[in-house]
Amino acid sequence: NAGVTQTPKFQVLKTGQSMTLQCAQDMNHNSMYWYRQDPGMGLRLIYYSASEGTTDKGEVPNGYNVSRLNKREFSLRLESAAPSQTSVYFCASLGDRNQPQHFGDGTRLSIL
Amino acid sequence: EDQVTQSPEALRLQEGESSSLNCSYTVSGLRGLFWYRQDPGKGPEFLFTLYSAGEEKEKERLKATLTKKESFLHITAPKPEDSATYLCAVQHLTLSGSRLTFGEGTQLTVNP
Repeated sequence: NAGVTQTPKFQVLKTGQSMTLQCAQDMNHNSMYWYRQDPGMGLRLIYYSASEGTTDKGEVPNGYNVSRLNKREFSLRLESAAPSQTSVYFCASLGDRNQPQHFGDGTRLSIL
Repeated sequence: EDQVTQSPEALRLQEGESSSLNCSYTVSGLRGLFWYRQDPGKGPEFLFTLYSAGEEKEKERLKATLTKKESFLHITAPKPEDSATYLCAVQHLTLSGSRLTFGEGTQLTVNP
């Protein structure tokens, strides 16, 4: 009963390096989301995908790209990491819009 | 612009000492208000959804209520295992799908 799985769980990068965060869900949900969570800022939406083949910007998209690889998988890419992108990243999925979003346990990313 | 404000930022209670957490919001066309619980190192876990003013939902020691401007999460006779961060989020629908805007959360500590 995996739900939403995120990999890796922890990562340390140097400024300028690139990285892809992976997210997969096994609930046959249509919509998937990427958030970042910073102290005192709450969860902020980076990008989302309402259905396979579509992606849209959220509140804080700058410096990120996403790919909805198929219905199960939604990846987040940092092309040139910056210290300001140090954060905890959460992926979520949603089936019916009358249902709650389900979250993974996060990727803790530090950029030096 | 949609806004969600939670108060207090942090709350310390003694075991058995009841209290309430507040979530005030300004949003055009509220679709639903969600409460989540988040434990350290974990993703948010769904608690309740409220859709209309006057609605109430209960689960064990927790009760969520909704008015036109705010929601309360009442905790009755809390136990140490209720210690967590409680997040509130409002749902809005766009042409691109369903989105949530989160508050910053209330960190609850219940001492034995």
